[in-house]
Amino acid sequence: ILNVEQSPQSLHVQEGDSTNFTCSFPSSNFYALHWYRWETAKSPEALFVMTLNGDEKKKGRISATLNTKEGYSYLYIKGSQPEDSATYLCAFIYNTDKLIFGTGTRLQVFP
Amino acid sequence: DAGVTQSPTHLIKTRGQQVTLRCSPISGHKSVSWYQQVLGQGPQFIFQYYEKEERGRGNFPDRFSARQFPNYSSELNVNALLLGDSALYLCASSLGTSENNEQFFGPGTRLTVL
Repeated sequence: ILNVEQSPQSLHVQEGDSTNFTCSFPSSNFYALHWYRWETAKSPEALFVMTLNGDEKKKGRISATLNTKEGYSYLYIKGSQPEDSATYLCAFIYNTDKLIFGTGTRLQVFP
Repeated sequence: DAGVTQSPTHLIKTRGQQVTLRCSPISGHKSVSWYQQVLGQGPQFIFQYYEKEERGRGNFPDRFSARQFPNYSSELNVNALLLGDSALYLCASSLGTSENNEQFFGPGTRLTVL
């Protein structure tokens, strides 16, 4: 059974703190890893699509790295803001057309 | 441009009934995927359709079925509803089936089975 794990489950930080979370996935049959941000009462929104080992992607204060050989991806947020509060989901894509979501990391940023 | 739309937004059914959920993808997107999200868990993949054909299926019983229409909209049907089918059902569209295509999610349909 394929398993995608995210840690921590939840995180509370102060505005201005930098933070990071982990997504662990099987290292075989890897096709891609997606990161999504899901704010309460909204739809999940794609942050990054990562396909190559060693990929590093950046969007504003948010960046992500990928290690397909050891099966993990890190998401970093620099200088967290209250509007960053959301659940961050990773999705592991294998066999081109199947994907598994992790359970997410719930981030709360306090002013 | 309109995003992914889903209808209805909320639905209450009783055990044993059947339900049909609808999804309209972003214009130009040919792939639609369906997910079930139960509180406290990540979305679980149910189906992916591309060009009206099923391209992927998750670990769900045969009570779950779907189809995609020539205009790329899609329906998800669930027969013989169980209490455990209560969940948020998300639809996502993408340009194609490639793993490089990011998915755009709709707001979801909240199904409650009593």
